[in-house]
Amino acid sequence: NAGVTQTPKFQVLKTGQSMTLQCAQDMNHNSMYWYRQDPGMGLRLIYYSASEGTTDKGEVPNGYNVSRLNKREFSLRLESAAPSQTSVYFCASSQTGRQPQHFGDGTRLSIL
Amino acid sequence: DQQVKQNSPSLSVQEGRISILNCDYTNSMFDYFLWYKKYPAEGPTFLISISSIKDKNEDGRFTVFLNKSAKHLSLHIVPSQPGDSAVYFCAATLHDQFYFGTGTSLTVIP
Repeated sequence: NAGVTQTPKFQVLKTGQSMTLQCAQDMNHNSMYWYRQDPGMGLRLIYYSASEGTTDKGEVPNGYNVSRLNKREFSLRLESAAPSQTSVYFCASSQTGRQPQHFGDGTRLSIL
Repeated sequence: DQQVKQNSPSLSVQEGRISILNCDYTNSMFDYFLWYKKYPAEGPTFLISISSIKDKNEDGRFTVFLNKSAKHLSLHIVPSQPGDSAVYFCAATLHDQFYFGTGTSLTVIP
């Protein structure tokens, strides 16, 4: 069972480059989420999609855009990467907003 | 502002003893609470949850306690095992959003 799959696992970018992080889930979940994890900060919500066709901002949306391509896929785009966006990014999904989330293994992104 | 806080960055416990991980929150509207476990280079995995209408939930060695008046959540692991060594995150939900604490790194010493 794949669960939540994130690609790529690692990426190094230069300041100003753009990149899209991909996420797909095979559990037929309605809700999908993007988080970033930084040392001492825990997991912070960037954007979420409560259902196919909807997206909403979380705590730290600046510098990011998202697309809920279909029920399975939820992508995160950095239009002009900045060193402050160096982080580990996690995608998650859940059946609803009041049920446990399933996480991918993360994308480790470094911006020089 | 951090709405969910874990004030102990780390905890060490002897194998077989009880591990108690604590979590405090500020928003009284949170209605569902969860604990996740995370190993290095992996995503968090769900451990146990509790609804705001309950004050205790058990699942094997894991028990979560909720004190709504104190806005405090705790996870008890009894008995602790070396495989429990990981980072533990508490989380709370409101309106489809999950708010996570900063994590507590648990080390269980054999």
